Amino acid sequence: DVVLTQSPLSLPVTLGQPASISCRSSQSLVHSDGNTYLNWFQQRPGQSPRRLIYKVSNRDSGVPDRFSGSGSGTDFTLKITRVEAEDVGVYYCMQNTHWPPYTFGQGTKLEIK
Amino acid sequence: EVQLVESGGGLVQPGGSLRLSCAASGFTLGDYWMHWLRQPPGEGLMWISVIRHDGTGTTYADSVKGRFTISRDTAKNTLYLQMNSLRAEDTAFYYCARDASAKPYDLWGQGTLVTVSS
Repeated sequence: DVVLTQSPLSLPVTLGQPASISCRSSQSLVHSDGNTYLNWFQQRPGQSPRRLIYKVSNRDSGVPDRFSGSGSGTDFTLKITRVEAEDVGVYYCMQNTHWPPYTFGQGTKLEIK
Repeated sequence: EVQLVESGGGLVQPGGSLRLSCAASGFTLGDYWMHWLRQPPGEGLMWISVIRHDGTGTTYADSVKGRFTISRDTAKNTLYLQMNSLRAEDTAFYYCARDASAKPYDLWGQGTLVTVSS
């Protein structure tokens, strides 16, 4: 199974400051079709998860442009340029290149300092 | 409105059974792969099962294989998860989610809590 390791697991950030979350995979996430199926999700307190980014860097409709995804192979990053109060929650990376199973990272809890 | 609504969660004794439902509205289930995932309270997300858009194939996580069955009723536009031989470690919020052609989980239900305890 593909193991996704996120860091940090806890991320205290001052409002208006940037934030960055790393996701490292135990094997390359490049599919035989050439695509890399690495996604990012946000889960606000008490809510269902919401997809932010698919295939490494494609932002979902309605997601603010302060969120961006990057990376390749085994190393990926989610960046927030300026953290806002509504960004509080847990962020997960997830891969669907090598399945079953579809796998998630452990989650990174973003909080406001 | 495009949405997924789960139901059927509750308290069940170890060894018991429960069937979860996920009613889709605003779109046709048969056009998408559909998944079940779960999240123990305060913990991370875990994929459980998927059913292909045409219903021809199903896949399960090792932890539920042989105990859980995913299915759907196209007439009712509803996804199901039959859970048998439940264990304490199956206690979790259960979510259904839509998979749009290798762009997974663009739509989630609100979740339903299953508690396995005597």
